[in-house]
Amino acid sequence: GAVVSQHPSWVICKSGTSVKIECRSLDFQATTMFWYRQFPKQSLMLMATSNEGSKATYEQGVEKDKFLINHASLTLSTLTVTSAHPEDSSFYICRSSGQFFGPGTRLTVL
Amino acid sequence: SQKIEQNSEALNIQEGKTATLTCNYTNYSPAYLQWYRQDPGRGPVFLLLIRENEKEKRKERLKVTFDTTLKQSLFHITASQPADSATYLCALVGNAGGTSYGKLTFGQGTILTVHP
Repeated sequence: GAVVSQHPSWVICKSGTSVKIECRSLDFQATTMFWYRQFPKQSLMLMATSNEGSKATYEQGVEKDKFLINHASLTLSTLTVTSAHPEDSSFYICRSSGQFFGPGTRLTVL
Repeated sequence: SQKIEQNSEALNIQEGKTATLTCNYTNYSPAYLQWYRQDPGRGPVFLLLIRENEKEKRKERLKVTFDTTLKQSLFHITASQPADSATYLCALVGNAGGTSYGKLTFGQGTILTVHP
């Protein structure tokens, strides 16, 4: 089946820094990627829909200036958490427009 | 408002028994319903999809039912094994959601533990 990878698998950063998470589709072209966030013992919450070559669509309550999404090619979407704070610590997961999720990225902001 | 509820936060069963997980929804008209498995620290893995006009779907030891009148889906694992222990998530794709595998809305998950 289709494979979606994420990098890094985990990251620890200081408060105020920016962190970039990459999501790649390895054996297919993904015109659409979805970014989710999952807090401990909670379900996945959709943050934004990333479309190749156009602006991302953000869900209500998600700050687009804080969570920058770039989908410059059919195999790569990136999520940048800008000026990260401890409350941004979470598990970030991408999904292709099918039913294939990436393995997730654990972000811890100190 | 739209709501998806998985009734049990946790379910413990004995190996060999059938595990039954429930997903209920309100104020929603799903085109599809999907079930995923999620292991700790990992992304969800797709298991089964059932469409609104389908009553039942099977795949090996897994069975999903979909009752749009009751607004409920049941997910069964027969002959359960300790390796089936994981969190199971149901997810809905609404009719107004765009593409077939478009916006998924997830339930909060049920943690299944199968004891040897």
